[in-house]
Amino acid sequence: GIQVEQSPPDLILQEGANSTLRCNFSDSVNNLQWFHQNPWGQLINLFYIPSGTKQNGRLSATTVATERYSLLYISSSQTTDSGVYFCAVNSNSGYALNFGKGTSLLVTP
Amino acid sequence: ETGVTQSPTHLIKTRGQQVTLRCSSQSGHNTVSWYQQALGQGPQFIFQYYREEENGRGNFPPRFSGLQFPNYSSELNVNALELDDSALYLCASSGTGTTYGYTFGSGTRLTVV
Repeated sequence: GIQVEQSPPDLILQEGANSTLRCNFSDSVNNLQWFHQNPWGQLINLFYIPSGTKQNGRLSATTVATERYSLLYISSSQTTDSGVYFCAVNSNSGYALNFGKGTSLLVTP
Repeated sequence: ETGVTQSPTHLIKTRGQQVTLRCSSQSGHNTVSWYQQALGQGPQFIFQYYREEENGRGNFPPRFSGLQFPNYSSELNVNALELDDSALYLCASSGTGTTYGYTFGSGTRLTVV
Protein backbone atom coordinates (compact mmCIF):
# COMPACT_ATOMS: atom_id res chain seq x y z
CA GLY A 1 0.00 0.00 0.00
CA ILE A 2 0.90 3.65 -0.22
CA GLN A 3 3.45 4.88 2.33
CA VAL A 4 3.15 8.24 4.07
CA GLU A 5 6.07 9.77 5.92
CA GLN A 6 5.85 12.91 8.00
CA SER A 7 8.64 15.05 9.38
CA PRO A 8 9.66 16.15 11.86
CA PRO A 9 8.07 13.73 14.34
CA ASP A 10 8.23 16.29 17.14
CA LEU A 11 8.52 20.06 17.16
CA ILE A 12 8.71 22.60 19.97
CA LEU A 13 8.20 26.27 19.12
CA GLN A 14 7.97 29.49 21.00
CA GLU A 15 4.79 31.46 20.46
CA GLY A 16 5.08 33.66 17.39
CA ALA A 17 7.50 31.40 15.51
CA ASN A 18 6.85 29.92 12.07
CA SER A 19 7.13 26.26 11.11
CA THR A 20 6.95 23.93 8.14
CA LEU A 21 5.69 20.36 8.35
CA ARG A 22 6.40 17.93 5.53
CA CYS A 23 4.54 14.92 4.15
CA ASN A 24 6.07 12.55 1.59
CA PHE A 25 4.00 9.86 -0.12
CA SER A 26 5.02 6.92 -2.25
CA ASP A 27 2.38 6.82 -5.02
CA SER A 28 -0.05 8.97 -6.98
CA VAL A 29 -2.94 10.27 -4.90
CA ASN A 30 -6.43 11.59 -5.60
CA ASN A 31 -6.89 12.98 -2.12
CA LEU A 32 -4.56 14.55 0.41
CA GLN A 33 -5.74 16.08 3.64
CA TRP A 34 -4.02 17.75 6.57
CA PHE A 35 -5.65 17.26 9.96
CA HIS A 36 -5.07 18.70 13.42
CA GLN A 37 -5.95 16.30 16.23
CA ASN A 38 -7.07 18.15 19.31
CA PRO A 39 -6.49 16.91 22.88
CA TRP A 40 -9.93 15.30 22.88
CA GLY A 41 -9.08 13.19 19.85
CA GLN A 42 -11.11 14.87 17.15
CA LEU A 43 -9.47 15.19 13.76
CA ILE A 44 -10.07 18.68 12.46
CA ASN A 45 -9.81 18.96 8.70
CA LEU A 46 -7.37 21.78 7.88
CA PHE A 47 -6.97 21.36 4.13
CA TYR A 48 -8.15 19.16 1.31
CA ILE A 49 -5.25 19.63 -1.08
CA PRO A 50 -4.42 16.87 -3.59
CA SER A 51 -2.52 19.52 -5.56
CA GLY A 52 -1.79 23.22 -5.56
CA THR A 53 -1.69 25.78 -2.78
CA LYS A 54 -4.31 26.92 -0.29
CA GLN A 55 -4.33 29.38 2.57
CA ASN A 56 -6.57 29.73 5.58
CA GLY A 57 -5.55 32.49 7.96
CA ARG A 58 -2.18 31.69 9.51
CA LEU A 59 -2.09 28.27 7.88
CA SER A 60 -1.24 27.43 4.33
CA ALA A 61 -0.46 24.24 2.45
CA THR A 62 1.17 23.27 -0.79
CA THR A 63 1.10 19.90 -2.54
CA VAL A 64 3.43 19.09 -5.42
CA ALA A 65 1.77 15.93 -6.68
CA THR A 66 4.38 15.22 -9.37
CA GLU A 67 7.10 15.13 -6.71
CA ARG A 68 4.89 13.38 -4.14
CA TYR A 69 5.12 15.73 -1.22
CA SER A 70 3.05 18.27 0.65
CA LEU A 71 3.99 21.04 3.06
CA LEU A 72 1.95 22.63 5.84
CA TYR A 73 3.04 26.10 6.93
CA ILE A 74 2.09 27.54 10.29
CA SER A 75 2.91 31.21 10.76
CA SER A 76 2.91 33.23 13.99
CA SER A 77 2.20 30.10 16.01
CA GLN A 78 -0.08 30.24 19.04
CA THR A 79 -0.36 27.90 22.03
CA THR A 80 -3.68 26.70 20.66
CA ASP A 81 -1.82 25.31 17.63
CA SER A 82 -0.37 22.60 19.87
CA GLY A 83 -1.40 19.06 19.07
CA VAL A 84 -0.70 16.40 16.50
CA TYR A 85 -0.79 17.17 12.79
CA PHE A 86 -1.55 14.33 10.41
CA CYS A 87 -1.20 14.05 6.68
CA ALA A 88 -3.49 11.47 5.06
CA VAL A 89 -3.81 10.35 1.45
CA ASN A 90 -6.00 8.20 -0.79
CA SER A 91 -4.14 6.43 -3.56
CA ASN A 92 -5.76 6.39 -7.01
CA SER A 93 -6.57 2.71 -6.53
CA GLY A 94 -7.69 2.60 -2.91
CA TYR A 95 -10.56 3.51 -0.64
CA ALA A 96 -8.63 3.97 2.58
CA LEU A 97 -7.17 7.16 3.91
CA ASN A 98 -3.59 6.28 4.72
CA PHE A 99 -2.19 8.33 7.58
CA GLY A 100 1.34 9.26 8.43
CA LYS A 101 2.57 8.92 12.01
CA GLY A 102 1.99 12.61 12.62
CA THR A 103 4.00 15.58 13.82
CA SER A 104 3.53 16.41 17.49
CA LEU A 105 3.71 20.19 17.90
CA LEU A 106 4.10 22.01 21.21
CA VAL A 107 3.91 25.79 21.21
CA THR A 108 5.17 27.36 24.43
CA PRO A 109 4.25 30.85 25.72
CA GLU B 1 -25.71 21.24 8.41
CA THR B 2 -24.73 18.75 11.13
CA GLY B 3 -21.30 17.18 11.28
CA VAL B 4 -20.36 13.58 12.01
CA THR B 5 -21.57 12.42 15.40
CA GLN B 6 -20.46 9.30 17.26
CA SER B 7 -21.79 7.53 20.31
CA PRO B 8 -20.94 6.70 22.97
CA THR B 9 -17.94 8.94 23.68
CA HIS B 10 -16.36 6.54 26.16
CA LEU B 11 -16.89 2.86 26.86
CA ILE B 12 -15.34 0.24 29.14
CA LYS B 13 -15.80 -3.42 28.27
CA THR B 14 -14.47 -6.72 29.55
CA ARG B 15 -12.32 -9.02 27.43
CA GLY B 16 -14.51 -11.42 25.46
CA GLN B 17 -17.54 -9.14 25.35
CA GLN B 18 -19.09 -7.58 22.25
CA VAL B 19 -19.46 -3.86 21.53
CA THR B 20 -21.42 -1.71 19.08
CA LEU B 21 -20.33 1.80 18.18
CA ARG B 22 -22.55 4.20 16.25
CA CYS B 23 -21.97 6.97 13.76
CA SER B 24 -24.25 9.47 12.04
CA SER B 25 -22.73 10.80 8.85
CA GLN B 26 -22.70 14.42 7.82
CA SER B 27 -25.78 15.56 5.94
CA GLY B 28 -25.45 14.76 2.25
CA HIS B 29 -22.63 12.24 2.72
CA ASN B 30 -23.24 8.70 1.45
CA THR B 31 -19.93 7.06 2.36
CA VAL B 32 -18.86 6.11 5.87
CA SER B 33 -15.54 4.67 6.95
CA TRP B 34 -14.17 3.55 10.30
CA TYR B 35 -10.67 3.90 11.71
CA GLN B 36 -8.89 2.57 14.79
CA GLN B 37 -6.30 4.77 16.47
CA ALA B 38 -4.08 3.23 19.12
CA LEU B 39 -2.33 5.52 21.57
CA GLY B 40 0.51 7.43 19.90
CA GLN B 41 -0.26 6.11 16.43
CA GLY B 42 -1.99 7.37 13.32
CA PRO B 43 -5.49 6.09 12.53
CA GLN B 44 -5.71 2.73 10.74
CA PHE B 45 -8.44 1.99 8.19
CA ILE B 46 -10.92 -0.70 9.25
CA PHE B 47 -13.53 -0.61 6.47
CA GLN B 48 -15.73 1.60 4.34
CA TYR B 49 -19.44 1.45 3.46
CA TYR B 50 -21.12 2.94 0.42
CA ARG B 51 -24.86 2.54 -0.21
CA GLU B 52 -25.12 -0.06 2.57
CA GLU B 53 -22.39 -2.29 1.11
CA GLU B 54 -18.85 -2.78 2.39
CA ASN B 55 -16.58 -1.66 -0.46
CA GLY B 56 -13.16 -1.67 1.15
CA ARG B 57 -11.52 -3.31 4.15
CA GLY B 58 -8.22 -2.91 5.93
CA ASN B 59 -6.17 -5.52 7.74
CA PHE B 60 -8.66 -6.30 10.50
CA PRO B 61 -10.09 -9.75 11.44
CA PRO B 62 -13.70 -10.74 10.71
CA ARG B 63 -14.73 -10.11 14.32
CA PHE B 64 -14.76 -6.45 13.22
CA SER B 65 -17.97 -6.00 11.26
CA GLY B 66 -20.22 -3.16 10.28
CA LEU B 67 -23.49 -1.97 8.87
CA GLN B 68 -24.69 1.06 7.00
CA PHE B 69 -28.35 2.04 7.11
CA PRO B 70 -30.55 3.69 4.43
CA ASN B 71 -30.04 7.08 6.14
CA TYR B 72 -26.26 6.50 5.72
CA SER B 73 -25.63 6.15 9.47
CA SER B 74 -23.37 3.26 10.44
CA GLU B 75 -22.44 0.82 13.16
CA LEU B 76 -19.14 -0.84 14.00
CA ASN B 77 -19.42 -4.15 15.85
CA VAL B 78 -16.51 -5.88 17.52
CA ASN B 79 -16.94 -9.40 18.87
CA ALA B 80 -14.76 -11.29 21.33
CA LEU B 81 -13.01 -8.16 22.54
CA GLU B 82 -9.28 -8.36 23.19
CA LEU B 83 -7.13 -6.06 25.31
CA ASP B 84 -5.44 -4.76 22.14
CA ASP B 85 -8.80 -3.50 20.88
CA SER B 86 -8.49 -0.65 23.37
CA ALA B 87 -8.25 2.42 21.16
CA LEU B 88 -9.99 5.51 19.83
CA TYR B 89 -12.47 4.54 17.10
CA LEU B 90 -13.10 7.24 14.55
CA CYS B 91 -15.87 7.46 11.99
CA ALA B 92 -15.50 9.54 8.84
CA SER B 93 -17.99 10.45 6.14
CA SER B 94 -17.64 11.80 2.65
CA GLY B 95 -19.86 12.49 -0.32
CA THR B 96 -19.55 11.81 -4.01
CA GLY B 97 -17.86 14.67 -5.77
CA THR B 98 -16.95 16.55 -2.62
CA THR B 99 -14.00 18.88 -2.76
CA TYR B 100 -13.17 18.79 0.90
CA GLY B 101 -12.50 15.10 1.50
CA TYR B 102 -13.44 13.26 4.65
CA THR B 103 -15.02 14.71 7.79
CA PHE B 104 -14.33 12.94 11.07
CA GLY B 105 -16.37 12.57 14.21
CA SER B 106 -15.02 13.04 17.73
CA GLY B 107 -14.52 9.33 18.22
CA THR B 108 -15.38 6.68 20.77
CA ARG B 109 -12.67 5.78 23.26
CA LEU B 110 -12.94 2.06 24.01
CA THR B 111 -11.12 0.51 26.94
CA VAL B 112 -11.04 -3.28 27.24
CA VAL B 113 -10.14 -4.62 30.68
